Amino acid sequence: EAQVTQNPRYLITVTGKKLTVTCSQNMNHEYMSWYRQDPGLGLRQIYYSMNVEVTDKGDVPEGYKVSRKEKRNFPLILESPSPNQTSLYFCASSLSFADTQYFGPGTRLTVL
Amino acid sequence: AQTVTQSQPEMSVQEAETVTLSCTYDTSESDYYLFWYKQPPSRQMILVIRQEAYKQQNATENRFSVNFQKAAKSFSLKISDSQLGDAAMYFCAYRSSKGGSEKLVFGKGTKLTVNP
Repeated sequence: EAQVTQNPRYLITVTGKKLTVTCSQNMNHEYMSWYRQDPGLGLRQIYYSMNVEVTDKGDVPEGYKVSRKEKRNFPLILESPSPNQTSLYFCASSLSFADTQYFGPGTRLTVL
Repeated sequence: AQTVTQSQPEMSVQEAETVTLSCTYDTSESDYYLFWYKQPPSRQMILVIRQEAYKQQNATENRFSVNFQKAAKSFSLKISDSQLGDAAMYFCAYRSSKGGSEKLVFGKGTKLTVNP
C-alpha cells in the first residue's frame, strides 16, 4: 500500500530534550515536506526537500533541522524543543514539486 | 507572496443537502494548482479535489465539485448529497507551478458540521 508513515504518532517531552520525528514514504517520491498545524493558523511549511541531499527552509524553520540521506526518509529534528513547538506535525510527499502531495497521519507533539 | 483565505470558519448542512465552502486566493502568477483537503477527526489530511489553473473545466470527484473562477481568484467547493462522514475541517490550498515555490499555502480552514 502506497503511504507516508510517521513515528511516533504521539509524543510528550520536556523542554530541551532532543527528539526526532521520522517520516518515510514508499512511493519513490522525490519531493518531501514537513508542516506544522496550529489552531487558527492552518498548516505552515517548516522544511522541504526536492531530492536526496537537497533541503530548504519553508515559512517557519526556526528550531528545526532536517536531513535527506535517502530518498524514502525525511526526519524532522528538534535539537532543543520549546513549548512553542507544541503542535501537530505532518510529513508529506509527492512525485515532484508540482504533483499532489500525500500526507502522513500526523504526529501530535507536546513540549512541557 | 501568495495567500489563501477561507472566510467561513464554520459551516453546517443537513444530511442529504448541498453546501458550498468558499476560498479565495491572491497570486500574481498565471499557472498554479489549487486543492481542497479534508481533515476528519482522525487528523489525517485527505485530498478531496485538485484543479489546474490552466484548465477551464471545473474539477469533479463524485459528490464533490469546484467552482473555479480564475479572474476572481475564487475556488469554492460544493458538496452534494452531504453525508455524516463529510463532517471535517476543510482546507483550501494553493501551489505555484514555478520551481522555487514548492510549498503548499493553506487557508485556515472551514469546519463543516453535518446534521442528521
